[in-house]
Amino acid sequence: DAGITQSPRHKVTETGTPVTLRCHQTENHRYMYWYRQDPGHGLRLIHYSYGVKDTDKGEVSDGYSVSRSKTEDFLLTLESATSSQTSVYFCAISRATSGEKLFFGSGTQLSVL
Amino acid sequence: AQKITQTQPGMFVQEKEAVTLDCTYDTSDPSYGLFWYKQPSSGEMIFLIYQGSYDQQNATEGRYSLNFQKARKSANLVISASQLGDSAMYFCAMSHAGKFYFGSGTKLNVKP
Repeated sequence: DAGITQSPRHKVTETGTPVTLRCHQTENHRYMYWYRQDPGHGLRLIHYSYGVKDTDKGEVSDGYSVSRSKTEDFLLTLESATSSQTSVYFCAISRATSGEKLFFGSGTQLSVL
Repeated sequence: AQKITQTQPGMFVQEKEAVTLDCTYDTSDPSYGLFWYKQPSSGEMIFLIYQGSYDQQNATEGRYSLNFQKARKSANLVISASQLGDSAMYFCAMSHAGKFYFGSGTKLNVKP
């Protein structure tokens, strides 16, 4: 199994509070991704990174920011959480963008009350 | 924009029978990859099979095969000899230009 750790695994927070989710990998893969999973929508890309300090927006990036200061860590921040951001968040990594699969973390269940 | 469509929200199949899960994709670029992932009730995402857009033959991995019809832009997953453990959500995905796009998923229930 790929070495991907997401923390925390579960979090309950209140509307308007900042939240940071962490993804840590031990595979030295270049590409890292944050997805959210909601019923009926599958997995939607929030942000991704193609190297240290290199990030770009995905399909549903509004309300989210990311940072990658080291190869192994990719942080997702909700600056001011809203109830619509209640979801399961998955981090994923890939060695390359062509012919390589995604490896997923175990997910973070986030509830915004 | 890239798009993946899975038109079957839920399906039932009898144990030991074969089942086909549909997936169509939309891209104008010639280079892309197609994937299927399985998500059991425990929540983890499990890679099943991969097909490159330039691959001439359909990919197979054990009981899984990918029916790749490029002209129709379809990438259906075929599971042969279904088992109870195959009950799960199945997601079709496409990779292109560094991003991976997912469909909304199909929930498969295998009946004993």
